Amino acid sequence: KTQVEQSPQSLVVRQGENCVLQCNYSVTPDNHLRWFKQDTGKGLVSLTVLVDQKDKTSNGRYSATLDKDAKHSTLHITATLLDDTATYICVVGDRGSALGRLHFGAGTQLIVIP
Amino acid sequence: EAAVTQSPRNKVTVTGGNVTLSCRQTNSHNYMYWYRQDTGHGLRLIHYSYGAGNLQIGDVPDGYKATRTTQEDFFLLLELASPSQTSLYFCASSGAEQFFGPGTRLTVL
Repeated sequence: KTQVEQSPQSLVVRQGENCVLQCNYSVTPDNHLRWFKQDTGKGLVSLTVLVDQKDKTSNGRYSATLDKDAKHSTLHITATLLDDTATYICVVGDRGSALGRLHFGAGTQLIVIP
Repeated sequence: EAAVTQSPRNKVTVTGGNVTLSCRQTNSHNYMYWYRQDTGHGLRLIHYSYGAGNLQIGDVPDGYKATRTTQEDFFLLLELASPSQTSLYFCASSGAEQFFGPGTRLTVL
């Protein structure tokens, strides 16, 4: 059973618009949640990691929230650029060390058009 | 800078073929992983290792072998490749955080 669900599956926005990606999960325990960006056919690049029960992070135009009570996270992208076109993957770690397992969402495919 | 490299980047083989995917990390990490990524699925763990000579079974191990020859090198072996193994394969190494390689696209005809 999929333990990390992302929505929407795909999203098309115009350059300059904002967008919000959602991640719901059932992983227990949920030590941390990380958002990755994956350009087509490329590796995963970490954008941000959330750790606290109710956490917020910001990394340039990317900001994210985590609510462990609701087992829900959001990734906000502000003023999108064409280079933001990619798949964004939500990953939940069940421990804070290499001993833990990572649980991957299937990703949200974001397409930014001129 | 931490680095995970994979080779080859692309590979085409035929059903029944023998394929070896290579991964090298310069992070001095003990843990290394092999994943496959398919459309509609998150990355799925095939095998992992916590040191040279060690091998642990992941969630989708059928049809795959792996070998960790050194701390740096982790290999994924497909001895009788099948079309269902057509996928994008990622290697990763881990300390407190996992670092991913660029991926190997494998096509089995």
